[in-house]
Amino acid sequence: KNEVEQSPQNLTAQEGEFITINCSYSVGISALHWLQQHPGGGIVSLFMLSSGKKKHGRLIATINIQEKHSSLHITASHPRDSAVYICAASTGTASKLTFGTGTRLQVTL
Amino acid sequence: DGGITQSPKYLFRKEGQNVTLSCEQNLNHDAMYWYRQDPGQGLRLIYYSQIVNDFQKGDIAEGYSVSREKKESFPLTVTSAQKNPTAFYLCASSISETGSNSPLHFGNGTRLTVT
Repeated sequence: KNEVEQSPQNLTAQEGEFITINCSYSVGISALHWLQQHPGGGIVSLFMLSSGKKKHGRLIATINIQEKHSSLHITASHPRDSAVYICAASTGTASKLTFGTGTRLQVTL
Repeated sequence: DGGITQSPKYLFRKEGQNVTLSCEQNLNHDAMYWYRQDPGQGLRLIYYSQIVNDFQKGDIAEGYSVSREKKESFPLTVTSAQKNPTAFYLCASSISETGSNSPLHFGNGTRLTVT
């Protein structure tokens, strides 16, 4: 069974700071998902990647398949980025996703 | 705009009662999923459905039941047999379960409290 670990569990940053959230997994995967959970509970899919790097606005996701590690970066952080960020590793289809416990990010003014 | 609607947002029930959580999607997705989220734990899969009139147990199906009579709808019933039903329940969908990896679309969740 795949184990997915995220670090840190909690993160506080000041507006404008560069943020990195890490995700490691124990077995080979077909894809790695990054999700954002808003304070109200709804979840939005940010990225799905199987190699290299993807960028969307101020968000960048990278993955190193050999090291079984992925990172989510947020440049020029803003209070509206405050949320829980969850990584999930897939060993096949969506029903084979293993979710991390999330990183709670708080960005202050 | 297409999306997933879960209702209600908050649900309160007495122990011993069955309760049904609603999930509707207008994304024309074939696959739908139910997850449970507890504090300090990752999401866990309860049931999923690849297509209408078909569904499969996930990792924690005991005490739950589902139906998939329409493509758009995938209701979850939390039965009195579920030992710890109080949790946050999330419904999701994807274009396909059996194809290549496709992103998940989530609803806003239902918080169930059983006393």
